[in-house]
Amino acid sequence: IAGITQAPTSQILAAGRRMTLRCTQDMRHNAMYWYRQDLGLGLRLIHYSNTAGTTGKGEVPDGYSVSRANTDDFPLTLASAVPSQTSVYFCASSDLPPGEQFFGPGTRLTVL
Amino acid sequence: GENVEQHPSTLSVQEGDSAVIKCTYSDSASNYFPWYKQELGKGPQLIIDIRSNVGEKKDQRIAVTLNKTAKHFSLHITETQPEDSAVYFCAASIPNTGNQFYFGTGTSLTVIP
Repeated sequence: IAGITQAPTSQILAAGRRMTLRCTQDMRHNAMYWYRQDLGLGLRLIHYSNTAGTTGKGEVPDGYSVSRANTDDFPLTLASAVPSQTSVYFCASSDLPPGEQFFGPGTRLTVL
Repeated sequence: GENVEQHPSTLSVQEGDSAVIKCTYSDSASNYFPWYKQELGKGPQLIIDIRSNVGEKKDQRIAVTLNKTAKHFSLHITETQPEDSAVYFCAASIPNTGNQFYFGTGTSLTVIP
């Protein structure tokens, strides 16, 4: 059982480029989340989805978009990357709330 | 929204000593409080959690206490070992908000052999 996988592991991106971070879970969890982790700021929620077909905005959604076409996949898109989006991005999933969120290994993104 | 504060930001203890990390939250409606451990280069992993109808929970060397009146909760690690060295995050969740977690800013724990 893989749990949650994220791709790519790391990426260096030129400012202004479009980028999609991929996230797939095999636990059939109904809820999925995207966080960014920055030094001294902890984990901040970008977007979430409680079930396939629905999404919601978290604490820091500007500059990011998500989609949830099916239960397993929850891609995060940066339409036009900016240097302030340099961060480590974590995807997570959980069963019915409230409960444990399972985190992926993260994607380290650098925007130059 | 919820505001979670976590202290200290760094903590060093001798192997075998205890470590305590404290968090406060602002929204009295929060009812679920997990603690996550993050090792270098990995994603956070749940180590213990507590719900608002419980005051204390233990799991071997790890315990969490919750004071709803004061709106704070703490992580206690006893008989610390070098493998306990990691970054620890507390979080709070408000019901009916889609299981959104509000995380503290983390505590970097170093256990000195």
